Amino acid sequence: KQEVTQIPAALSVPEGENLVLNCSFTDSAIYNLQWFRQDPGKGLTSLLLIQSSQREQTSGRLNASLDKSSGRSTLYIAASQPGDSATYLCAVKGGSEKLVFGKGTKLTVNP
Amino acid sequence: GAGVSQSPSNKVTEKGKDVELRCDPISGHTALYWYRQSLGQGLEFLIYFQGNSAPDKSGLPSDRFSAERTGGSVSTLTIQRTQQEDSAVYLCASSFYGTGNEEAFFGQGTRLTVV
Repeated sequence: KQEVTQIPAALSVPEGENLVLNCSFTDSAIYNLQWFRQDPGKGLTSLLLIQSSQREQTSGRLNASLDKSSGRSTLYIAASQPGDSATYLCAVKGGSEKLVFGKGTKLTVNP
Repeated sequence: GAGVSQSPSNKVTEKGKDVELRCDPISGHTALYWYRQSLGQGLEFLIYFQGNSAPDKSGLPSDRFSAERTGGSVSTLTIQRTQQEDSAVYLCASSFYGTGNEEAFFGQGTRLTVV
């Protein structure tokens, strides 16, 4: 059974800092990995999708990497801003087709 | 449509009543997912549709929960005889299938409160 773990559960940083969020998964047989953000009371917004054959994806200040063999992904946020405050979730899709989610990292960026 | 649309956005119901939650996926998306997010908890998988069929309904918590999808588009999640523990945000997502780019997009959710 696939299990996804996100560390840390919460993170508070000053504005402008670069930061890394971690995601690990137990079964390396995945099709893809997706990072989302969730604002309070809202749905999930897709940030980045990494296919199993890819090593990383970039979008603006965000960079996500994938090491499938070790079951790890990181989301790097450069020059963090207060607007980046949200809960960040990673999810993996394997043979069962469903997305398996971690419990998320709650990020607070202080002005 | 431009995105995944869910209705209603909020629903308050009395214990024991039936409720229907609706999801309109992105046009052309063949895969559709339902998830549940309870207060302070992670996302719990409920059911997955490929077209109109549900290859994986393993996450439905009990036989009070059912879902259908018609025309390969709109999906309805029905909860019968609601209980207080059913209170949660119900999220729907859709994606293409088998294209190599299966990015999932979520709706804003339906917040269900059973009183």
